[in-house]
Amino acid sequence: DAKTTQPTSMDCAEGRAANLPCNHSTISGNEYVYWYRQIHSQGPQYIIHGLKNNETNEMASLIITEDRKSSTLILPHATLRDTAVYYCIVRTVNTDKLIFGTGTRLQVFP
Amino acid sequence: DAGVIQSPRHEVTEMGQEVTLRCKPISGHNSLFWYRQTMMRGLELLIYFNNNVPIDDSGMPEDRFSAKMPNASFSTLKIQPSEPRDSAVYFCASNPTGGRAEAFFGQGTRLTVV
Repeated sequence: DAKTTQPTSMDCAEGRAANLPCNHSTISGNEYVYWYRQIHSQGPQYIIHGLKNNETNEMASLIITEDRKSSTLILPHATLRDTAVYYCIVRTVNTDKLIFGTGTRLQVFP
Repeated sequence: DAGVIQSPRHEVTEMGQEVTLRCKPISGHNSLFWYRQTMMRGLELLIYFNNNVPIDDSGMPEDRFSAKMPNASFSTLKIQPSEPRDSAVYFCASNPTGGRAEAFFGQGTRLTVV
């Protein structure tokens, strides 16, 4: 699976959009981009995934660049409860394995 | 469904003792994963099963660790003998199908070996 690179930490004001970047320059054609988050002391929680088109669900939007070498997770109106570690993971459709990196620690402040 | 259920939530044991962690996956899910999380190493995949068969155990740290899945609704992770460096939060996760399906995680078992 391709490696991902994320900033170690980010801050965001409550009510503003949080834009979390992820670099996956070695991604291959059959690899999906997944995002999970882990709120303190809880198990990781699935957010969204995509292949090449932008995706949106009730939690977030995922923007994938045309060359697929990077992506951005967007939380449109961040709340204090969105404070968590966010993991960007690249995964092939042929495997169930999820390999977590170090993620981005997002702190939402009032 | 109640989600992935792990037990116990907390376990404190003495070095050298056997520890057994338990997991009940979501009904109908055919893949099950065991992860370990520490501050130093983050979230590590230890082993995963598909249709009750171990597919990849390359993350199991050493022979003291073993995992079983006797049926589709139950899995165990055993550490014998336990050591202080095994102290961590252990997560179990399951997903319904291969590939693109999302994985659901349990609340974890916090293990402390003294």
